Amino acid sequence: DSGVTQTPKHLITATGQRVTLRCSPRSGDLSVYWYQQSLDQGLQFLIQYYNGEERAKGNILERFSAQQFPDLHSELNLSSLELGDSALYFCASSPQGYGNTIYFGEGSWLTVV
Amino acid sequence: GQQLNQSPQSMFIQEGEDVSMNCTSSSIFNTWLWYKQDPGEGPVLLIALYKAGELTSNGRLTAQFGITRKDSFLNISASIPSDVGIYFCAGLNYGGATNKLIFGTGTLLAVQP
Repeated sequence: DSGVTQTPKHLITATGQRVTLRCSPRSGDLSVYWYQQSLDQGLQFLIQYYNGEERAKGNILERFSAQQFPDLHSELNLSSLELGDSALYFCASSPQGYGNTIYFGEGSWLTVV
Repeated sequence: GQQLNQSPQSMFIQEGEDVSMNCTSSSIFNTWLWYKQDPGEGPVLLIALYKAGELTSNGRLTAQFGITRKDSFLNISASIPSDVGIYFCAGLNYGGATNKLIFGTGTLLAVQP
């Protein structure tokens, strides 16, 4: 158990819909990261937050957004969903905004039908 | 999105055999990480390497940070069935503003009892 908690574990939704994925980082970690894992693209960095502020953006679509709340939990919002958005979405956390190791949650399986 | 080249893509071995896999990049990293992912789980950190030439062990796992800082190697000795999973390398340049991990394409390991 990495200490990073993600909900829901599985989600099935229709195209055009919007979903929110939730992440609680490890206790004391200030930084939260979102990654997407798909068969064709592998593990891709989406976005990072540090202590409530956006720190870095990766391959995140404009239809996707995220935020980190004062209690340090984070949400990833996916809207106007397309079939190609079906993937595993991982949250990870680390103590600081930079550093050596990042710990991953168990992921949220999103299936868009 | 960017991915590191990891080889082999898959390995099917007998229990007790040793395993070697490697990861190469066109750019330099100052940290290399190796993760293992079990089905339906998030990546779990196995080994972290911080210095060119560094050799680090974690039980039956040994990893090396290449001298050029553009590659890394992971060896698993005396494999056992629970070693089954997907192994990912990841490169990281910490010390900057972000912890953006660039992942390898993964090596699927299957161990025959």
